[in-house]
Amino acid sequence: GAGVSQSPSNKVTEKGKDVELRCDPISGHTALYWYRQSLGQGLEFLIYFQGNSAPDKSGLPSDRFSAERTGGSVSTLTIQRTQQEDSAVYLCASSLGTGGVSLSQPQHFGDGTRLSIL
Amino acid sequence: KQEVTQIPAALSVPEGENLVLNCSFTDSAIYNLQWFRQDPGKGLTSLLLIQSSQREQTSGRLNASLDKSSGRSTLYIAASQPGDSATYLCAVRRLDSSYKLIFGSGTRLLVRP
Repeated sequence: GAGVSQSPSNKVTEKGKDVELRCDPISGHTALYWYRQSLGQGLEFLIYFQGNSAPDKSGLPSDRFSAERTGGSVSTLTIQRTQQEDSAVYLCASSLGTGGVSLSQPQHFGDGTRLSIL
Repeated sequence: KQEVTQIPAALSVPEGENLVLNCSFTDSAIYNLQWFRQDPGKGLTSLLLIQSSQREQTSGRLNASLDKSSGRSTLYIAASQPGDSATYLCAVRRLDSSYKLIFGSGTRLLVRP
């Protein structure tokens, strides 16, 4: 597609439920990133994919968070047993390039999924 | 640890004014720096990307400069318009092959008609 697409745009769920957030990157972009934006914390990195591999998962806040990417395209971020502190906007970004080349490329962001945990 | 600071946190100017947004970072070992704009309820729109070997980048009314040795970048907006009202974020990418962007907390800009 023309840009990074994320779904759903909004998600409201009860504490303790599992949620799945989807990201469809720009066609041809091999690098994919997940970030989280919350009040008081700003924008924080969660995980980076190159193709289907995740060489940097250092930002995942706990083992309740996981992500996968299939076919070098769509990625899903899963949060198990959601807590109220998980409420935030989850942003996905993609960029061109493989390996070190991706470092020099701009990251392009989707509009995010606004997650609210009741 | 890399820290990114943006000053001011908020800025209100009349239409037509030229303005400068500031970004500072504590570790000069960066690969590049990217400026974004974020409209309410929306994602981030990439404005300019400056590689560490570059001094500035220009796009239309926007000009971004980078002084890596002093840990500073500025975003200059010429002849501001109400449509420029948004939050502006800067982000740096470290030189140590970490692929993540480290963001400042942003400057919220309001351009008054």
